Amino acid sequence: NAGVMQNPRHLVRRRGQEARLRCSPMKGHSHVYWYRQLPEEGLKFMVYLQKENIIDESGMPKERFSAEFPKEGPSILRIQQVVRGDSAAYFCASSPGRSPEQFFGPGTRLTVL
Amino acid sequence: AQSVTQLDSQVPVFEEAPVELRCNYSSSVSVYLFWYVQYPNQGLQLLLKYLSGSTLVESINGFEAEFNKSQTSFHLRKPSVHISDTAEYFCAVYSNYQLIWGAGTKLIIKP
Repeated sequence: NAGVMQNPRHLVRRRGQEARLRCSPMKGHSHVYWYRQLPEEGLKFMVYLQKENIIDESGMPKERFSAEFPKEGPSILRIQQVVRGDSAAYFCASSPGRSPEQFFGPGTRLTVL
Repeated sequence: AQSVTQLDSQVPVFEEAPVELRCNYSSSVSVYLFWYVQYPNQGLQLLLKYLSGSTLVESINGFEAEFNKSQTSFHLRKPSVHISDTAEYFCAVYSNYQLIWGAGTKLIIKP
């Protein structure tokens, strides 16, 4: 049973470009969470999604960031017009239901030049 | 709102010495607590979890943590560290379907 998969593992963008981060949850998991880890900091919750629904996006910046989890395919975290402050590691986690146990992917490290 | 405090940003310790990494959380009715480990440039691995039952939980590689409700703590301990334990350790509490994280403690093993 494959774990949570994230791609790409590393992403380099220039200021103003768009970044798309993908997350495939574990098989049988329909709940996805995105967290951001800024350099030298702990993780911060961004968004919680179920299939086709955003349940809680209270941790998402109000502008430029969006997330989706379509009926088919991976969850996507989209950052438009990236700025240097978006450079961070973005982790995705999944769970089979609303559960305290979340299984993490390897992360995507975004570098904005 | 829930919060997690890891009091030490770095803990240097000699190889084969014991270590304690401290974690305190803000009080809540029901608590689910976790320790994750992050090796350099890698993802997060679950090390320990407390969901219910025995307040002392153990990992397969010798770490243990004790849930102390009265002190709102979940400190991580190991009686004898190895160079391979060099990593950053994060304490987290589950609250409203999200994990609230501490800032992390870097465990530095001195030879």
